[in-house]
Amino acid sequence: AQSVAQPEDQVNVAEGNPLTVKCTYSVSGNPYLFWYVQYPNRGLQFLLKYITGDNLVKGSYGFEAEFNKSQTSFHLKKPSALVSDSALYFCAVRDIGGDSGTYKYIFGTGTRLKVLA
Amino acid sequence: GAVVSQHPSRVICKSGTSVKIECRSLDFQATTMFWYRQFPKQSLMLMATSNEGSKATYEQGVEKDKFLINHASLTLSTLTVTSAHPEDSSFYICSAQSSYNEQFFGPGTRLTVL
Repeated sequence: AQSVAQPEDQVNVAEGNPLTVKCTYSVSGNPYLFWYVQYPNRGLQFLLKYITGDNLVKGSYGFEAEFNKSQTSFHLKKPSALVSDSALYFCAVRDIGGDSGTYKYIFGTGTRLKVLA
Repeated sequence: GAVVSQHPSRVICKSGTSVKIECRSLDFQATTMFWYRQFPKQSLMLMATSNEGSKATYEQGVEKDKFLINHASLTLSTLTVTSAHPEDSSFYICSAQSSYNEQFFGPGTRLTVL
């Protein structure tokens, strides 16, 4: 079964410092991986995805993620954190398609990022 | 980009009443939509998969008679919480699956049952 793990409940980083939010995955076949951000009382905002191609994926708001097949990781990174980046971040993997052509997403438990001024 | 809306964004109701939440794909057709529930500071829990023109598929442990799902058109799915109770208070998020088999998420609906 497909799964993702986010080992850190919370990550604290000083403004201006680089940030990393970790995600590891377990899939059968080729992984379709996603990162989303959620602000309080809001839905999920898409940041980036990996389907195929370059291992370094660039996304919205200056975020990027590195797909590492040997380590089965897809860590989210940003070179210089902003206070406004403080939010809840979710890693997700797309499940194998179902009978009706449905593709469920499996979410990690989420990591709360706190950027300190 | 693909946009999904939800209405209402916030609803407060009395215990025992029913509440309907709408999920619309605004600029694409979605034969499949998903309904999630999110408890405070927790991840999204998939409740059900909604397929246009057929019955929804519920995840294990989700009461189908409690959470009625109707996917009447290619752009609209509704979730009705019947006889709501305080424990149904939660944040409900829908998503719509595009023709590329990716999900686009709505902004969520905060339900508070008094």
